[in-house]
Amino acid sequence: DTAVSQTPKYLVTQMGNDKSIKCEQNLGHDTMYWYKQDSKKFLKIMFSYNNKELIINETVPNRFSPKSPDKAHLNLHINSLELGDSAVYFCASSQFGQGGAEAFFGQGTRLTVV
Amino acid sequence: AQSVAQPEDQVNVAEGNPLTVKCTYSVSGNPYLFWYVQYPNRGLQFLLKYITGDNLVKGSYGFEAEFNKSQTSFHLKKPSALVSDSALYFCAVRDIRSYIPTFGRGTSLIVHP
Repeated sequence: DTAVSQTPKYLVTQMGNDKSIKCEQNLGHDTMYWYKQDSKKFLKIMFSYNNKELIINETVPNRFSPKSPDKAHLNLHINSLELGDSAVYFCASSQFGQGGAEAFFGQGTRLTVV
Repeated sequence: AQSVAQPEDQVNVAEGNPLTVKCTYSVSGNPYLFWYVQYPNRGLQFLLKYITGDNLVKGSYGFEAEFNKSQTSFHLKKPSALVSDSALYFCAVRDIRSYIPTFGRGTSLIVHP
């Protein structure tokens, strides 16, 4: 039973295309995140949702749009893909109400834009 | 504001020797502190955390970390390193009033046979 699952695991696409990455968690958590890990392995928060409401939207191009249809899902749609979007994208979840609860991460989606 | 620093990009240690991976943090309030490990082509896995109480926290795979409030540090330690411990280690901090943990840049641990 995968706690946080992302699809697809690998995504190769051409510049200018639109793509989506899906994320689902079966942990009953109320908070979900998208992180971007660059080639130097640095993790940067992109978005966070709590109970389907956007609470954090870091400096991310508006080509990136998160969608949370329910508390268990947080999808990431990317328009007009650019070479610089190539990275590994991680979805994560946690239960904010539980003080100090750790985040659980998906296995990542390696996006390659050619 | 919250931030975390991992001053070493890489730590090398011989198998069987003790290891330390350093982490210092900055928060305006009280911190929650975390360590995660990332193996190649995998997501981050939780190792241990400090919320409150005992400054020495024990976690998975024999790892432990010591919270030092005066030095604002949360160093990860293991008494005897294994080759299989070789991985990328991330320290993270979250102010108790914040939704978002901030991650350090990661430290690559290499354990030599």
